[in-house]
Amino acid sequence: GAVVSQHPSRVICKSGTSVKIECRSLDFQATTMFWYRQFPKKSLMLMATSNEGSKATYEQGVEKDKFLINHASLTLSTLTVTSAHPEDSSFYICSVGGASGKTYNEQFFGPGTRLTVL
Amino acid sequence: DAKTTQPTSMDCAEGRAANLPCNHSTISGNEYVYWYRQIHSQGPQYIIHGLKNNETNEMASLIITEDRKSSTLILPHATLRDTAVYYCIVRVAIVNSGYALNFGKGTSLLVTP
Repeated sequence: GAVVSQHPSRVICKSGTSVKIECRSLDFQATTMFWYRQFPKKSLMLMATSNEGSKATYEQGVEKDKFLINHASLTLSTLTVTSAHPEDSSFYICSVGGASGKTYNEQFFGPGTRLTVL
Repeated sequence: DAKTTQPTSMDCAEGRAANLPCNHSTISGNEYVYWYRQIHSQGPQYIIHGLKNNETNEMASLIITEDRKSSTLILPHATLRDTAVYYCIVRVAIVNSGYALNFGKGTSLLVTP
């Protein structure tokens, strides 16, 4: 299966700053990556779907200008939380799906990034 | 995707089998049953999936009723490390994994010494 990493694993920032989270597929080329968000004691909620080389598709209620997604290569997608506020504090998880030339029956998730906005 | 219903929480003694039920009465013919789990503060982990036949792998067994309206995930010998939230997800086959997953509330399994 695929190995997915995220960086950083944990970040604390001041309100109003921007934070970039990286999601890397280490051992296969991912044409599709997903970004989820999880608030404390809640389930994962899909934020957006990113396809390599095209614009991300955002779920209803997710501001595309606030959560910038860049899927620049088949192994890297980034999520930038712009002008972060305390209500953006959450656990952000990426998953990798869609491999060129391969068929998988499961999705592969990163370890998550804990964002705390003060 | 078909809706699933799972108990909110369950307890299991270490070393015993953990049987986690899932109801999916509106499942359609081309939808699979997937199980993932999430250990606290980690990303979800794939466990197993099936269409209509029972399935077994190194982690667990999946028993699907003949009418496919419910299923049970079995962890044969639960350990403390199996304490996690278990999600039952029903959807069409994740060919090329190009589809997002709709996580419900899941079942919080606590394995006790």
